[in-house]
Amino acid sequence: GENVEQHPSTLSVQEGDSAVIKCTYSDSASNYFPWYKQELGKRPQLIIDIRSNVGEKKDQRIAVTLNKTAKHFSLHITETQPEDSAVYFCAAVGNQFYFGTGTSLTVIP
Amino acid sequence: EAGVAQSPRYKIIEKRQSVAFWCNPISGHATLYWYQQILGQGPKLLIQFQNNGVVDDSQLPKDRFSAERLKGVDSTLKIQPAKLEDSAVYLCASSLAEGRTEAFFGQGTRLTVV
Repeated sequence: GENVEQHPSTLSVQEGDSAVIKCTYSDSASNYFPWYKQELGKRPQLIIDIRSNVGEKKDQRIAVTLNKTAKHFSLHITETQPEDSAVYFCAAVGNQFYFGTGTSLTVIP
Repeated sequence: EAGVAQSPRYKIIEKRQSVAFWCNPISGHATLYWYQQILGQGPKLLIQFQNNGVVDDSQLPKDRFSAERLKGVDSTLKIQPAKLEDSAVYLCASSLAEGRTEAFFGQGTRLTVV
């Protein structure tokens, strides 16, 4: 099966700074890479996704980049705000849907 | 659009007891997933259904866990007998098609085994 590694496991940034979370995957058949945000006690919710035919995608303050050759993809959050504080999960999807181990992001006001 | 429904929200049982969780996916979603999320960890895929067939159950502890999706709609996940280490949130998710589309999650069932 797929093996998705995610780093860092915890990340603290000052409000207004940028945050970057990185993931690597092992299965070359994976071709869909979503990112989910999970607030404490709530369900994971999709914030952005990218497919393997695209190298970069941006949605306001959130962007995702994908390097298929190196099998890694990253989430970039700019101008961070306290409400961005949550746990973020990457996933690599081929025929199955496997998640990374999560990054706990804290934005310090 | 109605979301993924799960019940119960919370369950406390003693070790060696049995428990069952229910999931009703979004109407029309062919793919259904059950994940186990232990506190502080990422969701771990237990089983994936495509309609009523199993796509992947490689990480399902089959000596104690079972799942079914009769008629390709609702699904149940059962643990028999439960162990302390089964304490976790069990998340059900569904997507329109296999794999390469967004998965929508239910609220989850928080299981505590004492």
